[in-house]
Amino acid sequence: GNSVTQMEGPVTLSEEAFLTINCTYTATGYPSLFWYVQYPGEGLQLLLKATKADDKGSNKGFEATYRKETTSFHLEKGSVQVSDSAVYFCALRAPNAGKSTFGDGTTLTVKP
Amino acid sequence: DVKVTQSSRYLVKRTGEKVFLECVQDMDHENMFWYRQDPGLGLRLIYFSYDVKMKEKGDIPEGYSVSREKKERFSLILESASTNQTSMYLCASHPPGRTGELFFGEGSRLTVL
Repeated sequence: GNSVTQMEGPVTLSEEAFLTINCTYTATGYPSLFWYVQYPGEGLQLLLKATKADDKGSNKGFEATYRKETTSFHLEKGSVQVSDSAVYFCALRAPNAGKSTFGDGTTLTVKP
Repeated sequence: DVKVTQSSRYLVKRTGEKVFLECVQDMDHENMFWYRQDPGLGLRLIYFSYDVKMKEKGDIPEGYSVSREKKERFSLILESASTNQTSMYLCASHPPGRTGELFFGEGSRLTVL
């Protein structure tokens, strides 16, 4: 079956530090890959996505590249801010699969 | 601005009560989902629906049912609420195909006493 494994948290960084949250997946076919973010007290919202191999998704300074050879979609940001404190979820949706598969989420806290 | 709206942000119910959680989306999406979110357990899929009057069980359907009478509305029903159903409930929808992202509501935090 399909699965997503993401880096366990929580992660605590100082402002302006470099962020990496690892995500690897197992899926049949060529899935689409997503990063969602959940700010405190809110639902999830899309951060970025990539729909085919070697695509790079980017938004708000975050980036992730769809690596089929390593089945990975790691999230990176060069300089985090306090406002980036949130829970980050990696997810996939396989071809002909109506439902998405989520990782367990990684809680990021950025301190001033 | 596209939207998924959940009717109640916070609810407090008593054990044995029947609970309705309503979700409405304005994007004409066929696919709608109900998840629950608990600390340390991530997101777990309860039920989903690909079309009006159709439903599929997710990973944890026990104790829940759903209703999809109109395309824009997907309701989650707890027939007899129990304390272990205290949780955050999230509704979501997405367009057909594998590339469209999920759009989530803000969540309904249910406490069962």
